[in-house]
Amino acid sequence: DGGITQSPKYLFRKEGQNVTLSCEQNLNHDAMYWYRQDPGQGLRLIYYSQIVNDFQKGDIAEGYSVSREKKESFPLTVTSAQKNPTAFYLCASSIRGATRQETQYFGPGTRLLVL
Amino acid sequence: AQSVSQHNHHVILSEAASLELGCNYSYGGTVNLFWYVQYPGQHLQLLLKYFSGDPLVKGIKGFEAEFIKSKFSFNLRKPSVQWSDTAEYFCGAGGNKLTFGGGTRVLVKP
Repeated sequence: DGGITQSPKYLFRKEGQNVTLSCEQNLNHDAMYWYRQDPGQGLRLIYYSQIVNDFQKGDIAEGYSVSREKKESFPLTVTSAQKNPTAFYLCASSIRGATRQETQYFGPGTRLLVL
Repeated sequence: AQSVSQHNHHVILSEAASLELGCNYSYGGTVNLFWYVQYPGQHLQLLLKYFSGDPLVKGIKGFEAEFIKSKFSFNLRKPSVQWSDTAEYFCGAGGNKLTFGGGTRVLVKP
């Protein structure tokens, strides 16, 4: 059953704590993305990766970090430097990411809440 | 910088009414356009997309959208909505780096 999985579904963070959100895909896609969804602001791109061991900042990368050591996995770390981390985080993937004519497929999301 | 705007934040309508959601974009160069839908508790999923060719695009569940280059618009339409169309709809523009609008929440009253 192919798709994108994100875990956990809900995540609680204490002030000053780093947390890591998991994203795994078995679609054999080269490109992966992280978005943040806030009410009324749509989806904003945090980071994206077009190939293993390479990634680029999106529009709102400050306070976040990523790694891409394996094709299937693209974890996102929300660091203590992110001042407003409470949001719904969506991971997506696409076949290559090298051309414009691609569809992105989304995971179910992780809701992060700061205590 | 590219941007996408969706003019309606909330839309409430009755079953069988017609739906039109506005989307305008600013993007330098050739643009690819998407409409995604997020049903309550479900994944974001693709409704339809425009890359090139016929500017009237048909998608799943009876939705269609029209690309009007001169107006930088890609409005989504459905002639007759159902209660199950209650969802949040997002317009996206760009390519491998998509920019999304703020979303429109649609509530269809039975």
